[in-house]
Amino acid sequence: EPEVTQTPSHQVTQMGQEVILRCVPISNHLYFYWYRQILGQKVEFLVSFYNNEISEKSEIFDDQFSVERPDGSNFTLKIRSTKLEDSAMYFCASNLEDRMAGEGYGYTFGSGTRLTVV
Amino acid sequence: GENVEQHPSTLSVQEGDSAVIKCTYSDSASNYFPWYKQELGKRPQLIIDIRSNVGEKKDQRIAVTLNKTAKHFSLHITETQPEDSAVYFCAVSSNDYKLSFGAGTTVTVRA
Repeated sequence: EPEVTQTPSHQVTQMGQEVILRCVPISNHLYFYWYRQILGQKVEFLVSFYNNEISEKSEIFDDQFSVERPDGSNFTLKIRSTKLEDSAMYFCASNLEDRMAGEGYGYTFGSGTRLTVV
Repeated sequence: GENVEQHPSTLSVQEGDSAVIKCTYSDSASNYFPWYKQELGKRPQLIIDIRSNVGEKKDQRIAVTLNKTAKHFSLHITETQPEDSAVYFCAVSSNDYKLSFGAGTTVTVRA
């Protein structure tokens, strides 16, 4: 079964540093997402990406964050000037949606990157 | 934005009994309602989903029911087993395809 892969699985960074979280979505999927889960809390939407641009972003996704699809396979989340409260599990997800048909296919989540800001 | 309420926050059941988790949502345009199971330190795994044109869906021991008028949907797990112990999240989506999650229910199945 196809998987969404994320690297690294765990990242420790100093406060104020920049981190890049990497994801390889499923190859034929069209929509890509980043979600965040602070320990013990619910999963929160950060950003969705389609056709090489952001289609929607949440209030959490401020100027500190950016996403990029630098080539045909990778999808990255960059967090600049990290803060302690950025510590969380970050999940990448992708899905294949056919908006014309009004049909959607369930998300596939990656295994996550645990970001620890110290 | 979408507001998703999930109850209960914790649920302890005896092995073999049923477990029911309920979610309510606020946006009447919502049309996709998945349920995810998350084990400690792992990714959310889709276990069942339902769309707004269907009232009920079943997959072996798991079922989901949807009441669009009342804006609530429920997860039913029958004949619970110890491996059903996990955190369960409901989620809601509309045509923007982003998922809004509930706060989660920690299910413990006692042997």
